[in-house]
Amino acid sequence: GAGVSQSPSNKVTEKGKDVELRCDPISGHTALYWYRQSLGQGLEFLIYFQGNSAPDKSGLPSDRFSAERTGGSVSTLTIQRTQQEDSAVYLCASSLAITGRGTDTQYFGPGTRLTVL
Amino acid sequence: DQQVKQNSPSLSVQEGRISILNCDYTNSMFDYFLWYKKYPAEGPTFLISISSIKDKNEDGRFTVFLNKSAKHLSLHIVPSQPGDSAVYFCAASARYSGAGSYQLTFGKGTKLSVIP
Repeated sequence: GAGVSQSPSNKVTEKGKDVELRCDPISGHTALYWYRQSLGQGLEFLIYFQGNSAPDKSGLPSDRFSAERTGGSVSTLTIQRTQQEDSAVYLCASSLAITGRGTDTQYFGPGTRLTVL
Repeated sequence: DQQVKQNSPSLSVQEGRISILNCDYTNSMFDYFLWYKKYPAEGPTFLISISSIKDKNEDGRFTVFLNKSAKHLSLHIVPSQPGDSAVYFCAASARYSGAGSYQLTFGKGTKLSVIP
């Protein structure tokens, strides 16, 4: 079956512009996660959606970052007024929320490579 | 403060030999550990996991060992194959930390190269 898909695969933008990154999770997965991986770093948790519950936004690095999940499926991560330090690979993952904990296997998309000039 | 550390950025191993990838953690609340494998231009894929109630978990050529007292885990791949060449990430979660127990904390990864 189809895995997690993300678009675009690459995005180059100018400093100060807004960008939107899209994630299509695996059908039936109620949990959705956003991570980012900066150069030479591990994956950094950004935000978590589970069903109709309020999202856990504790990992968002600044108020320029926001995310929404419409209809419990597709998610969009928006970065406003991009800065050069926002350059990273943004990864989306989804999982069945069997336990709602880290034991639920997370399936990752291929990521969006964002470059802010 | 890095809570999950993979101190070796890269490792080269001859085909057929054993690959050992190491990971250390500092947060004593972590009680579930995972290894993910990542090929270029692809997302990480789950490889193997271990709960803190165990000290070993095996799946085919892959075995993960956990030493809780040392806060150390390792992934053994034997025999190593060229197709195993990838970046391996160690990750951890704290299942009983309440909110946020679904969060995975990742190390920086180790790039494994298996030489034919």
